[in-house]
Amino acid sequence: GAVVSQHPSWVICKSGTSVKIECRSLDFQATTMFWYRQFPKQSLMLMATSNEGSKATYEQGVEKDKFLINHASLTLSTLTVTSAHPEDSSFYICSTSEGGDTEAFFGQGTRLTVV
Amino acid sequence: GENVEQHPSTLSVQEGDSAVIKCTYSDSASNYFPWYKQELGKGPQLIIDIRSNVGEKKDQRIAVTLNKTAKHFSLHITETQPEDSAVYFCAASIGSNYQLIWGAGTKLIIKP
Repeated sequence: GAVVSQHPSWVICKSGTSVKIECRSLDFQATTMFWYRQFPKQSLMLMATSNEGSKATYEQGVEKDKFLINHASLTLSTLTVTSAHPEDSSFYICSTSEGGDTEAFFGQGTRLTVV
Repeated sequence: GENVEQHPSTLSVQEGDSAVIKCTYSDSASNYFPWYKQELGKGPQLIIDIRSNVGEKKDQRIAVTLNKTAKHFSLHITETQPEDSAVYFCAASIGSNYQLIWGAGTKLIIKP
């Protein structure tokens, strides 16, 4: 199956700073990338869907100016958490697939801790 | 919109016994039902999936059953092993142009 490489696997940042998370599709043309957020012992919450070369579509309640998504190529999508606050601490995971009815390939996830 | 409910939230079974996790969905148009396994600190991985034109699918110790009339599907793991301990998520999708809707997850604990 496709390999999705997500970096960093964990990051600690100070409140007010920005953090960029990268997701690279190593052997798959990731036309669509999904960004999820997962709190401890909870399910995956879809934050946004990004299509290569166009603006991301954000889920209700997700601030697009706070969670900046760039999907400039078929192999790279980034999520930048701007002006991070402790409540942004979470596990962020990217995923790509050929469609909603095919296997989704996930990155390893990024544990973000804002202090 | 689609809603997926998953039970139980935690399941503890003795090594070697079987484990069953159940999910129900609300949208009768759903036609794709995958199961993912997530180990601690990692992203989920697909373990088995089933489409609406099939009632059951098996892959070694793992099987999934689908009851379209009742709108529920189940994951069955037989002869459980310690490495089966993880969180399992079910999901449902209406089709290619629609996103996956996720269940809440089940933490499976295999007791030695």
